[in-house]
Amino acid sequence: NAGVTQTPKFQVLKTGQSMTLQCAQDMNHNSMYWYRQDPGMGLRLIYYSASEGTTDKGEVPNGYNVSRLNKREFSLRLESAAPSQTSVYFCASSESRRDEKLFFGSGTQLSVL
Amino acid sequence: AQKVTQAQTEISVVEKEDVTLDCVYETRDTTYYLFWYKQPPSGELVFLIRRNSFDEQNEISGRYSWNFQKSTSSFNFTITASQVVDSAVYFCALSEAHTGRRALTFGSGTRLQVQP
Repeated sequence: NAGVTQTPKFQVLKTGQSMTLQCAQDMNHNSMYWYRQDPGMGLRLIYYSASEGTTDKGEVPNGYNVSRLNKREFSLRLESAAPSQTSVYFCASSESRRDEKLFFGSGTQLSVL
Repeated sequence: AQKVTQAQTEISVVEKEDVTLDCVYETRDTTYYLFWYKQPPSGELVFLIRRNSFDEQNEISGRYSWNFQKSTSSFNFTITASQVVDSAVYFCALSEAHTGRRALTFGSGTRLQVQP
């Protein structure tokens, strides 16, 4: 059982380049999330999708866009990468209820030079 | 707005010592859910426990125990007889039932190092 799969695992970008982080889950979950993890900051929510067809901004959405392609897939796009976006990115999924635990992917380590 | 504070940035103990990780939360909702996650060196976050705001009973699972006190807005995590495998970053998180975002808010994490 794959759970939550993120690609790529590592990426190095130059300032101004664009890229898309891919995330897919095979647990038939309704809700999906993108978090970033920075030292001393914990995990901060970028965007989330409570259900297929909906997306909402989280705590730190600036510089990012998302697409909930279907129930399985939720992608995160950096249109013009900046050094401040150097971080570890985690995708997660859960059932739609607010008391449900999250299942996390293994993370993407992104460096923007 | 919901907020989770983990004041301990890093804790170092020697194997077999007991250690408590503190978590203090803020919420305006009357119904909410608290979580603890573990992030081992491999990087992937692992769910440890979930507690709802109506259940203040402490929970014990093997060497792990959790103390939930609504009066002090705290949800502390104790590891008894720590082991090297407990070395990880531990995150406390909060979800509100009726208000705020439909997503978890995490604390900044506590890095636990257990020395042999």
